Amino acid sequence: EAGVAQSPRYKIIEKRQSVAFWCNPISGHATLYWYQQILGQGPKLLIQFQNNGVVDDSQLPKDRFSAERLKGVDSTLKIQPAKLEDSAVYLCASSLELAGTQYFGPGTRLLVL
Amino acid sequence: DAKTTQPPSMDCAEGRAANLPCNHSTISGNEYVYWYRQIHSQGPQYIIHGLKNNETNEMASLIITEDRKSSTLILPHATLRDTAVYYCIVRAVYNFNKFYFGSGTKLNVKP
Repeated sequence: EAGVAQSPRYKIIEKRQSVAFWCNPISGHATLYWYQQILGQGPKLLIQFQNNGVVDDSQLPKDRFSAERLKGVDSTLKIQPAKLEDSAVYLCASSLELAGTQYFGPGTRLLVL
Repeated sequence: DAKTTQPPSMDCAEGRAANLPCNHSTISGNEYVYWYRQIHSQGPQYIIHGLKNNETNEMASLIITEDRKSSTLILPHATLRDTAVYYCIVRAVYNFNKFYFGSGTKLNVKP
């Protein structure tokens, strides 16, 4: 069974630029999560989708971050404009159902200069 | 937001059992205990979870105290590849499956 796929794996941008990350969850998984992990800390949930609807986005900085999952499968997370403090690893996870075990992708490492 | 307490680091000799403790004294009856680990530069990897009873799978064993206020993850025969940060997470069944990650325990397996 293929795991959660993410791309790109690494991205370097300058502050005020925009960037987008892509996630393809495990086939058949209805719930998709985006996390931000700052160096030395545990992951922090940004947004959670159930199929193509948002379940929880209370920790998403909505002035600069956006995410979508239009067809209930793949998802994109966008940052516009990026700030220095957005440098982190962005992790995507999926679970079969809302209360299921979460499986994580390898993450996208973002460096904002 | 994290509701668990773990030691920041632990050492273990290769081939010996690694026992990683976690305190979750405020856990409620409908909250599961999950364990994940994160090897350097990888995403977190699911290990095991439990509600009340002890659990075992091919990777590890989870021992939950009777009062459920603490638990221990046991890796029976640690190898160098088990060097990672281990996260103990308490998840409410009805809280949108939210995971609150703390800082975890860095396990160093030494030859």
